[in-house]
Order: sequence, then C-alpha cells, then structure tokens
Amino acid sequence: GAGVSQTPSNKVTEKGKYVELRCDPISGHTALYWYRQSLGQGPEFLIYFQGTGAADDSGLPNDRFFAVRPEGSVSTLKIQRTERGDSAVYLCASSAQPTGTSFNEQFFGPGTRLTVL
Amino acid sequence: AQSVAQPEDQVNVAEGNPLTVKCTYSVSGNPYLFWYVQYPNRGLQFLLKYITGDNLVKGSYGFEAEFNKSQTSFHLKKPSALVSDSALYFCAVTPGYSSASKIIFGSGTRLSIRP
Repeated sequence: GAGVSQTPSNKVTEKGKYVELRCDPISGHTALYWYRQSLGQGPEFLIYFQGTGAADDSGLPNDRFFAVRPEGSVSTLKIQRTERGDSAVYLCASSAQPTGTSFNEQFFGPGTRLTVL
Repeated sequence: AQSVAQPEDQVNVAEGNPLTVKCTYSVSGNPYLFWYVQYPNRGLQFLLKYITGDNLVKGSYGFEAEFNKSQTSFHLKKPSALVSDSALYFCAVTPGYSSASKIIFGSGTRLSIRP
C-alpha cells in the first residue's frame, strides 16, 4: 500500500517568504506528526495531531510556524517570514489509532528539503 | 526531560562480524524505545521497538536490541553484519504513559560495514 507522501520533495525560497509543506499520511492513520531534521542531527519533534486537533504543539519553535489538519487526513505545515535557520528536512509521520497500552510505530515520509536563501 | 544519547558518531565493522550500536536514555517512568534506520535519500524506516516484556527484542533485517533498565540502555545488535547494513541509525524514546506521542530521537550513529 501507499506510504506517507510529502510534497514538494525540495523547496527553495528566499528569506522572508511564506512556504507551505504538505503531508499525506497512510490511509486510516489517525495520528500525524511533524519533525524537523537539521544536517547531522536526529529528527526534532514539532507538532502532533490526533484527528483534526493538535494534541501536542510543544515543539513548534515560534509563532512563525503553524500546522493544520482540517479533515483529519492531509496536513499542511506553514512557515511565515522564513529565515535561513529554518533550512532543514521536514519529516512527516503517521501512526494507526492507538489501542490499549500498545504504542504504534510511526511511519515516516521521505521529507521535504527546505532551503532558505 | 526526556533524552537519548548515542555516544558514537560512527561505528566501523567488517562484514560478517557482529555489530553493536550503543544507546542510553533518560525518561521518567517506564520508557518505550525504538530504533530507526535512514538510508541515503530515503525516509526513516522502523526497525524495532520495546514496549514491555522480554528484554531482547527482535526486529527487521536480523537486528535485535536489548533493553537494560538498570543501565538505562537499549543497544542495537546484529550477529553478522552485511555491507547493505551501512546506514544512519537512530535510537528514540517516548515516555510510556501514552499510547501515541512525540518521539525523542538521538543524534544518530553512522554504521559503515566494510567488505
């Protein structure tokens, strides 16, 4: 079956511009996560959705970053007034509805490489 | 605060030899632990997880990991390395009181298997 998909695969923008990054989770997965991976580092958590609502947005670095998931499926990460420090690979992951005490693994997309000039 | 440490930036092993990639963690309560692998130009792939039960967890591609609560470690192991195992490996943790939450990743260890 189809995995997590992310578009675009690469995005180059200029400092100060607005960008949107899209994530299509695995069909039926209720949880969706955004992470950011800078060069030479592990992924860093940004925000997590359960259905349409943000269950945890503690990782968003500042108010320039915002994410939505209006219908509980596709999600968009929005970055306003981009800065050079925002350059990174933005990863999206999804997981199935948790049951009991099990923890369902997160399946990751290929990422969007954002470069801010 | 939760954290994961991978003390080795790189591990070099000859093909056919056993390999170990080290990971230690710090989390309140009982942890859920994971290993992911990242190949060049590909997304993160799940290898294995420890939730509860047997301390030795078996995963994909012949990898296994041993949970050691007293040492707060979760080292990744494989009895016989393959050149195709060369990749970037991430250890990750989440506090074990939620069935779905953010994962905290380590900084990664680059595994290089020489023929």
